[in-house]
Amino acid sequence: AQKITQTQPGMFVQEKEAVTLDCTYDTSDPSYGLFWYKQPSSGEMIFLIYQGSYDQQNATEGRYSLNFQKARKSANLVISASQLGDSAMYFCAMRESAGGTSYGKLTFGQGTILTVHP
Amino acid sequence: KAGVTQTPRYLIKTRGQQVTLSCSPISGHRSVSWYQQTPGQGLQFLFEYFSETQRNKGNFPGRFSGRQFSNSRSEMNVSTLELGDSALYLCASSLEVLYEQYFGPGTRLTVT
Repeated sequence: AQKITQTQPGMFVQEKEAVTLDCTYDTSDPSYGLFWYKQPSSGEMIFLIYQGSYDQQNATEGRYSLNFQKARKSANLVISASQLGDSAMYFCAMRESAGGTSYGKLTFGQGTILTVHP
Repeated sequence: KAGVTQTPRYLIKTRGQQVTLSCSPISGHRSVSWYQQTPGQGLQFLFEYFSETQRNKGNFPGRFSGRQFSNSRSEMNVSTLELGDSALYLCASSLEVLYEQYFGPGTRLTVT
């Protein structure tokens, strides 16, 4: 079974508007972390935002916020006021603790290509 | 502070050869992880090193190996290259294993 599912292969948004990128996850581990990364065409993965499974509040970092719904196992990324430079591939990833054996391993979704139109 | 650096950035090898990729983590970071990215399989975890010890390994054949040095720099080696090993190899470092990972620009390996 897929541990991380990103159901939107591609998304389009108008410049200055907000966009939500979907991510659902599957784990039985009570302790886990959820990450979003941006990968421009250059290939480098850029860390955007992190949400811990025990965090009470949704994470925010500038124009990025994470809509964390634990019961539904979803961790959607919201980008406000989209900019042309936001056009890139976006990956959702999860780190499970697995009793301390998987800390260094991130499991990634398939990604969503975001295109921002002027 | 300098980011994660990977060398070389591009590499072309022939089937059957071996290759060594290098990763220098952000200064002070002790955990280094390696990932393989291909269009078909996406991003897959290879292994993770912390304080010179391999703590976690992904589901890759034994041809894929790695190591970490006392200065936290890491290398990964792929022996007997196959066409399917063509990929972008990404290295990531983190301060400790529970912290967010910061990625390097990757090494794009092409096997002909």
